Amino acid sequence: GEDVEQSLFLSVREGDSSVINCTYTDSSSTYLYWYKQEPGAGLQLLTYIFSNMDMKQDQRLTVLLNKKDKHLSLRIADTQTGDSAIYFCAESIGGTSYGKLTFGQGTILTVHP
Amino acid sequence: DARVTQTPRHKVTEMGQEVTMRCQPILGHNTVFWYRQTMMQGLELLAYFRNRAPLDDSGMPKDRFSAEMPDATLATLKIQPSEPRDSAVYFCASGLTGQGRNTEAFFGQGTRLTVV
Repeated sequence: GEDVEQSLFLSVREGDSSVINCTYTDSSSTYLYWYKQEPGAGLQLLTYIFSNMDMKQDQRLTVLLNKKDKHLSLRIADTQTGDSAIYFCAESIGGTSYGKLTFGQGTILTVHP
Repeated sequence: DARVTQTPRHKVTEMGQEVTMRCQPILGHNTVFWYRQTMMQGLELLAYFRNRAPLDDSGMPKDRFSAEMPDATLATLKIQPSEPRDSAVYFCASGLTGQGRNTEAFFGQGTRLTVV
């Protein structure tokens, strides 16, 4: 079945890099996602990676996927105070349940000046 | 500016009352999700629909919760009777899904429900 795990908290200094980690269990995952949630708002898609890729870069964001270990990470370069938010990883699987999105519990990122 | 619209944004109700939350998905999207977010449980999938048909509602307490899509522009989540443990933020999201295709889900702002 689907199970997505994340560490709950991460605190970094402004200007440093942040690395948020996620593990998942479903080997039939087709896409993996990173969403951001700011206070009082819904979730916003940041980036995603197809399961046959191992890296994707998008401006300050780098996603690394280790399919063998079922490990996904999001690196934010030059972290800013505006990056403070909750970050969720999510997976979607193939087969008859295609499209279904299962989320981790979220990592609270705090950026200190 | 296409967006998912949820109403109401906030709802306070007494235990035992019926609560109906509404969602207008983005026009053209074929998939609608309902999630519940609490501090303790995080983001839980309650139900999802594709082309208005319910595909998976295993995350939803069947005795009191019901989800429907009366038409392509409206999804509803109903709780009857409501209980204090239902207090949470309920999110609706919509997307365009297809076999082998990326699911980019767009989230509404959520309905913050408080049951007293």
